Amino acid sequence: SAVISQKPSRDICQRGTSLTIQCQVDSQVTMMFWYRQQPGQSLTLIATANQGSEATYESGFVIDKFPISRPNLTFSTLTVSNMSPEDSSIYLCSVTETGEVYTFGSGTRLTVV
Amino acid sequence: GDSVTQMEGPVTLSEEAFLTINCTYTATGYPSLFWYVQYPGEGLQLLLKATKADDKGSNKGFEATYRKETTSFHLEKGSVQVSDSAVYFCASRGNAGGTSYGKLTFGQGTILTVHP
Repeated sequence: SAVISQKPSRDICQRGTSLTIQCQVDSQVTMMFWYRQQPGQSLTLIATANQGSEATYESGFVIDKFPISRPNLTFSTLTVSNMSPEDSSIYLCSVTETGEVYTFGSGTRLTVV
Repeated sequence: GDSVTQMEGPVTLSEEAFLTINCTYTATGYPSLFWYVQYPGEGLQLLLKATKADDKGSNKGFEATYRKETTSFHLEKGSVQVSDSAVYFCASRGNAGGTSYGKLTFGQGTILTVHP
């Protein structure tokens, strides 16, 4: 299965700033996703990152707040914009080639102060 | 939309005890079902999966059977170890042709702690 490198692994950011998280995969993958895991809670899908086109966002998430890029089949970025303490979470990217096996990055632990 | 409901946690057991973590789902059609495990400080790992009714997924002594009639996918292990302490997530994936295809929907997660 694919191997994901997600960076940074953690960060502490000031409110009002933005953070860009990178997800690099060691092989071309069909589907890439970004999830949020709030403290003590489950994973919530933010969006599907589409190669060469705009991401598809889930209800409650908007492009202005969480812009996503996917320039090719092995790389994607998620930006958390104009951060507030409520954005403190773990952000994870996930990939699948077949829809049967999903691989997750190790996550980015974000703290907004 | 699709949803997954897990039993409330946390669950605390003694080593060698029997484990059950309940999971039920709601979905259109016949989703694929998964159990993921998150060990302390690590990312999510696939534990087991089942893609159709009556399938049994198994791995590392854990088992779960896809029960269409009860829309359930309960996780079981006959004898837990301290090393099984982790957070366990049940998840579903919508079928091809549906709007939720490819997306995983997760349950709330269940924290398992096993004491020696």
